[in-house]
Amino acid sequence: NAGVTQTPKFQVLKTGQSMTLQCAQDMNHNSMYWYRQDPGMGLRLIYYSASEGTTDKGEVPNGYNVSRLNKREFSLRLESAAPSQTSVYFCASSVLAGGRSYEQYFGPGTRLTVT
Amino acid sequence: QQQVKQSPQSLIVQKGGISIINCAYENTAFDYFPWYQQFPGKGPALLIAIRPDVSEKKEGRFTISFNKSAKQFSLHIMDSQPGDSATYFCAARTDKLIFGTGTRLQVFP
Repeated sequence: NAGVTQTPKFQVLKTGQSMTLQCAQDMNHNSMYWYRQDPGMGLRLIYYSASEGTTDKGEVPNGYNVSRLNKREFSLRLESAAPSQTSVYFCASSVLAGGRSYEQYFGPGTRLTVT
Repeated sequence: QQQVKQSPQSLIVQKGGISIINCAYENTAFDYFPWYQQFPGKGPALLIAIRPDVSEKKEGRFTISFNKSAKQFSLHIMDSQPGDSATYFCAARTDKLIFGTGTRLQVFP
């Protein structure tokens, strides 16, 4: 039981390059989330998927796209990376019931640097 | 109204001391208040949580105090240990979690 896994762990991109961050969970959770973590800013929600087939914008969605590939997998894409997207990215999953998110389980993170 | 304000940004405590981290919120629709602990290089993990109908919850050395009228809640770590050195995030929930900005705790022997 791996929990939430993320790939890659580290990535360096040049401005304008694109990449996809991968996330998978094996806990049969219905909802999944992408956050970015920056010093002094806490965890900010980029996009989330309440259930398979749905995605919604969070607090900071600009410059990102997501795909909920199936119940297990939720990917985050940077189409044209910018230095402002240098951050640590976390994927999380949880049970969502009655419109409420229960305990969120986080992956180990992807440290992205854009030069 | 969706913000959760957390303080202090960093905290240095001697081993055996009490660590206190405070959070405040505005949105009365929040119905669940978890605290997450994050070690360097790892993802956050749930530490302890409280619902607004309870004023205090204790798990081992960790206690959440909740003041509904003041819209404030705090984490107390009793007998702080070097192994408690981590970043702590408070959060509040409606349909999703809103996180505070984090507190970096360092406990020195």
